Amino acid sequence: GQQVMQIPQYQHVQEGEDFTTYCNSSTTLSNIQWYKQRPGGHPVFLIQLVKSGEVKKQKRLTFQFGEAKKNSSLHITATQTTDVGTYFCAVTGGGNKLTFGTGTQLKVEL
Amino acid sequence: DAGITQSPRYKITETGRQVTLMCHQTWSHSYMFWYRQDLGHGLRLIYYSAAADITDKGEVPDGYVVSRSKTENFPLTLESATRSQTSVYFCATHFGRADYEQYFGPGTRLTVT
Repeated sequence: GQQVMQIPQYQHVQEGEDFTTYCNSSTTLSNIQWYKQRPGGHPVFLIQLVKSGEVKKQKRLTFQFGEAKKNSSLHITATQTTDVGTYFCAVTGGGNKLTFGTGTQLKVEL
Repeated sequence: DAGITQSPRYKITETGRQVTLMCHQTWSHSYMFWYRQDLGHGLRLIYYSAAADITDKGEVPDGYVVSRSKTENFPLTLESATRSQTSVYFCATHFGRADYEQYFGPGTRLTVT
């Protein structure tokens, strides 16, 4: 099935620093979704990217889909303690199901 | 309020016992999914269902059984629990296409001793 590699596994930043997580696939993706999971919580949908080279922004979060549709990134500008959590990418596979990356756990220190 | 509920939220059971995790949704979404979440593995799909009475295996189905007699319910049964099944289990739904967002329940934390 579809597989995605997500890096880094962990990221520890000082509040105000930027953060980026990457998802990479060896095959061309039809679309990619991003989810956030707060500690002790459940995954919550953030966004979906569909077009080659697509860039979408949500306040301090910038999502990009690569030109070849084989990679994607999530960038957070000037992190805040509210950004703490694990960020997952997910890609569509056969049978209307998603394959999730292993996630990047973000910790933000004051 | 509409949404997905899971029960129990926490469960401790012994090796070899049967345990059933419940998932209920109020939207009448056609698709429902069961995932397990373990450190270093992200979310792995156990089973999913496209509609009532239609189920299919995901990535890690061994040791689990599902049924879906009604659209709104999708129980997951561990027939003979093992320690390796200690995990957090999430149920999820979507409207019917994989490019629609998935909605997750709050999760069940299962410990097998």
